[in-house]
Order: sequence, then structure tokens, then C-alpha cells
Amino acid sequence: TQLLEQSPQFLSIQEGENLTVYCNSSSVFSSLQWYRQEPGEGPVLLVTVVTGGEVKKLKRLTFQFGDARKDSSLHITAAQPGDTGLYLCAGARSNYQLIWGAGTKLIIKP
Amino acid sequence: GAGVSQSPSNKVTEKGKDVELRCDPISGHTALYWYRQRLGQGLEFLIYFQGNSAPDKSGLPSDRFSAERTGESVSTLTIQRTQQEDSAVYLCASSLYLGQNYGYTFGSGTRLTVV
Repeated sequence: TQLLEQSPQFLSIQEGENLTVYCNSSSVFSSLQWYRQEPGEGPVLLVTVVTGGEVKKLKRLTFQFGDARKDSSLHITAAQPGDTGLYLCAGARSNYQLIWGAGTKLIIKP
Repeated sequence: GAGVSQSPSNKVTEKGKDVELRCDPISGHTALYWYRQRLGQGLEFLIYFQGNSAPDKSGLPSDRFSAERTGESVSTLTIQRTQQEDSAVYLCASSLYLGQNYGYTFGSGTRLTVV
């Protein structure tokens, strides 16, 4: 079974701080997606990274796909309370299936 | 519709009863997926449908679980003889096509509690 490990599992920081969340695997993925999930809602797609070494920015969020396409990171600059949520990464195999990480629960305290 | 709609949003049932969960995907989305999410955990794949192709049922945990979809419309997930370990949020997602480059749009889920 191919697994995606996310770290940390839980992170609580003050508003304005920076943070990085990691998504690691021993397997190669053809692409990787990041989602954010808020309580009582389904996950919402933030970004898809496809190319090894690719970096995508979404306002204060920076996503990077590892050169070997086995890992990814999400960096948030100057975190805001609105960034609070469960961040999930999901890696795509050569077919349709997404392999999901267990998530990082992020709390930003005002 | 504008988004993926799931019903009911909450369901409490007695152990041993059957339940039926419904998912109405985004109009025009050919692929539909069912996932299970236990409290504080990631998503567990259950089944997917793509157009009129045979569904991939490889993620269904037991023969008590089944799902149907008519064409590219509504899907129902049925759990027979529910057990307490079935308690979870059941999420449905759809995407325009099947494939890695198409992001999923999720519904808000059905929270199932088996007592």
C-alpha cells in the first residue's frame, strides 16, 4: 500500500507566524493535490502540482512538489485565523486513484 | 446544481438497520467518488463511478456496503445491517473527468452515527 505521511499532525500557532506542513511518501506520484477542510464541510481543493520541483503560490500559501515527485510542502506566511482547518494532501497514481494523507490540523490563534 | 449535494446531512441509526445515503453531483461531472472519513482521520476510498463504465468497488470494506449510480446523475450508498464501526462521515465528490488533473469537488458529507 502506498502511503502519504503528513507532518505535523497538529499545529497551533499565533496569528502572524509562518509555518510549513509536509507530505511525504516513498512512492512517486504523477501529481499531488492539497485540500483544506473546515469542520462540517468537505475538503476544498487548493492546488494541484504536477511537475517535479514545481512551486505554486496562492496568496500567502506556497506549495512545492519535490524534484522526485515523492513529497510536497505547504508554507503559509503570516498565518491568519481564517487559515485554520485540516490540510490534506492527496497523491495521484498513474491511474485515477488519489492516495490521501491523514491531514494536518492547523489552528491559528488571534 | 452549483455544488455537490449530499443528504441527509446527519443520520442516527440503530445497529443492524440499513441506511441509504444520497449524492447529487455537479451537473456534467462524469466521475463520482465515495469516501469515508473517521473522526480526525484522512479519507478512505470506497468506490468510484465513471460514466457508464463498471464502478471500481475495490475500497468497499465489506459486502454490507453497496453503491449505485444511474448514468451521470445521482448516486446512493447503501449500508446494510449497520455496525458501530460504520459510524463516520461519508463524503461524496465529483470531478469533470476521471484522471489526476481534475480536482474533486466534495459535498458536505453525511455524518452517520450507529447506536
